[in-house]
Amino acid sequence: SQKIEQNSEALNIQEGKTATLTCNYTNYSPAYLQWYRQDPGRGPVFLLLIRENEKEKRKERLKVTFDTTLKQSLFHITASQPADSATYLCALGTGNTGKLIFGQGTTLQVKP
Amino acid sequence: DAGVIQSPRHEVTEMGQEVTLRCKPISGHNSLFWYRQTMMRGLELLIYFNNNVPIDDSGMPEDRFSAKMPNASFSTLKIQPSEPRDSAVYFCASGRDRARLNYGYTFGSGTRLTVV
Repeated sequence: SQKIEQNSEALNIQEGKTATLTCNYTNYSPAYLQWYRQDPGRGPVFLLLIRENEKEKRKERLKVTFDTTLKQSLFHITASQPADSATYLCALGTGNTGKLIFGQGTTLQVKP
Repeated sequence: DAGVIQSPRHEVTEMGQEVTLRCKPISGHNSLFWYRQTMMRGLELLIYFNNNVPIDDSGMPEDRFSAKMPNASFSTLKIQPSEPRDSAVYFCASGRDRARLNYGYTFGSGTRLTVV
């Protein structure tokens, strides 16, 4: 069956370090992958999109990689700050339908 | 731009009652999505529309759920009759047709539904 897996355990890191979050998927052939941030009581907010033919995408302190052979995306936040503390969701899009399927999310806690 | 507007923010209702959730997408966005979020199941896609037409409703749990989009600026999700297991946060999201290539989707603040 189709599955998107993100680490369900919270990730705790020290301010200034690099946070790395993982998104693995099975039985999907995504055309693109997106990462969202969600704060408590709020809706998800779009961060980055990477297409199947792209290996890496960067935006300020954020970096996303996409390995279609490993069926995995890594999301990095460099020089992390307490304000980066939130839940991060990966989402897969297939074909041209616009349909977006989300993983469960990983909660990041950055300690000062 | 006011973003995606959902109402109500909170809804508490008794089992068996009809519940209607409302969404106003961002002007110019022609894709609209309804998601449901719970701790156990995460964000689940219920239904999505493109140019006001339902494209995929395979995520709608059962016949008690229905969604409409009578025009480009308004959508409703109705649950009739409601059950306690429907308790969740319901999100509406909108995007441009090609948003998936660059901009992602914009989510509303959600409606927290509690069925007692």
